[in-house]
Amino acid sequence: EAQVTQNPRYLITVTGKKLTVTCSQNMNHEYMSWYRQDPGLGLRQIYYSMNVEVTDKGDVPEGYKVSRKEKRNFPLILESPSPNQTSLYFCASRGLDRDEKLFFGSGTQLSVL
Amino acid sequence: QKEVEQNSGPLSVPEGAIASLNCTYSDRGSQSFFWYRQYSGKSPELIMSIYSNGDKEDGRFTAQLNKASQYVSLLIRDSQPSDSATYLCAVWASGTYKYIFGTGTRLKVLA
Repeated sequence: EAQVTQNPRYLITVTGKKLTVTCSQNMNHEYMSWYRQDPGLGLRQIYYSMNVEVTDKGDVPEGYKVSRKEKRNFPLILESPSPNQTSLYFCASRGLDRDEKLFFGSGTQLSVL
Repeated sequence: QKEVEQNSGPLSVPEGAIASLNCTYSDRGSQSFFWYRQYSGKSPELIMSIYSNGDKEDGRFTAQLNKASQYVSLLIRDSQPSDSATYLCAVWASGTYKYIFGTGTRLKVLA
């Protein structure tokens, strides 16, 4: 089954404690992306990657890191989380043809205390 | 100016009516346009994609694209209470590899 697997589903942490949210896709997609979703602000792109070792900033990259060492994996790293990073996070992937849809993970609800 | 703009709503329509959702975008290099539906706390799911000017129909849904006006719309015919959700407009600009979403329009279909 084609899917994007994102873990964990829920995460509560404290300010400053490094964390990683994992994302893996089994569709051999070139493109992967991270979004955060906050009430009234919609889905905002954090980082995206067009292929292995190729990443670029989205609209809200501050406080986040990513890596793309393998085509299937695209982890999101928060080295020193702060309360303003409390949000719902989605990982997504797609091919590079113009009409390809985004496949989404099930989301990670992060709370930073 | 936001890259993709939508009216946040809520847009309320009676059951059986036509719901009309609108979206404008700022990047003229945008090539593909998408409508996603999202229920609260769930992942977005694709409803329609369109990349040529004009209309594209799929069941009760019609997407309309006007590149000259930088405008995309989604019509939902015979609206059902199960259509109540947030509808997200998204734009793919192949030159920048950005896949940008609007803030979404909340639709309420009243039984």
